Amino acid sequence: KQEVTQIPAALSVPEGENLVLNCSFTDSAIYNLQWFRQDPGKGLTSLLLIQSSQREQTSGRLNASLDKSSGRSTLYIAASQPGDSATYLCAVKKSNFGNEKLTFGTGTRLTIIP
Amino acid sequence: AAGVIQSPRHLIKEKRETATLKCYPIPRHDTVYWYQQGPGQDPQFLISFYEKMQSDKGSIPDRFSAQQFSDYHSELNMSSLELGDSALYFCASTSRTGDNTGELFFGEGSRLTVL
Repeated sequence: KQEVTQIPAALSVPEGENLVLNCSFTDSAIYNLQWFRQDPGKGLTSLLLIQSSQREQTSGRLNASLDKSSGRSTLYIAASQPGDSATYLCAVKKSNFGNEKLTFGTGTRLTIIP
Repeated sequence: AAGVIQSPRHLIKEKRETATLKCYPIPRHDTVYWYQQGPGQDPQFLISFYEKMQSDKGSIPDRFSAQQFSDYHSELNMSSLELGDSALYFCASTSRTGDNTGELFFGEGSRLTVL
């Protein structure tokens, strides 16, 4: 059974700093990995999608990397802003047919201090 | 661009009542997923449908049922509601054709409160 862990559970950093969020998964046989952002009581916004054959994806100030063999992904946020404060969730997908559900990590609650 | 639409956004029910949540996927998406997120928890997979057939099943209680209709919208029916069913219920959709990236797009969720 796939287990996804995110460390740290919570993180507070001053505005302007660069930061890294970590995600680890136990079963390296994945189809893809998605990073999401969730504001309190709100929906899940997809930030980045990395296919199993890819090493990284970038969108603006965000960069996500994937090391499938070691079961790890990182989300790098450059020049953090107060608006980045949210919970960040990673999720892995085992297959695109059949066992295709996303398994979510426990999330990292990020607070950017102005 | 059109997103995943969920209704109602908020729902308050009494114990033992029934509730129905609706999900309208992104146009041309053929696969729908339902997730439940309790307070302070990560989303838990309930069930998914591809081309109107159940494709995967997670920790969905027997009191819950779901289906996908010919227009690809989906409904989650919950009966004999319990206090523990209070949660955010998310629907997500994807397309298994096209670019086949497998990316899931989530709706804003339906918040169910059971009193």
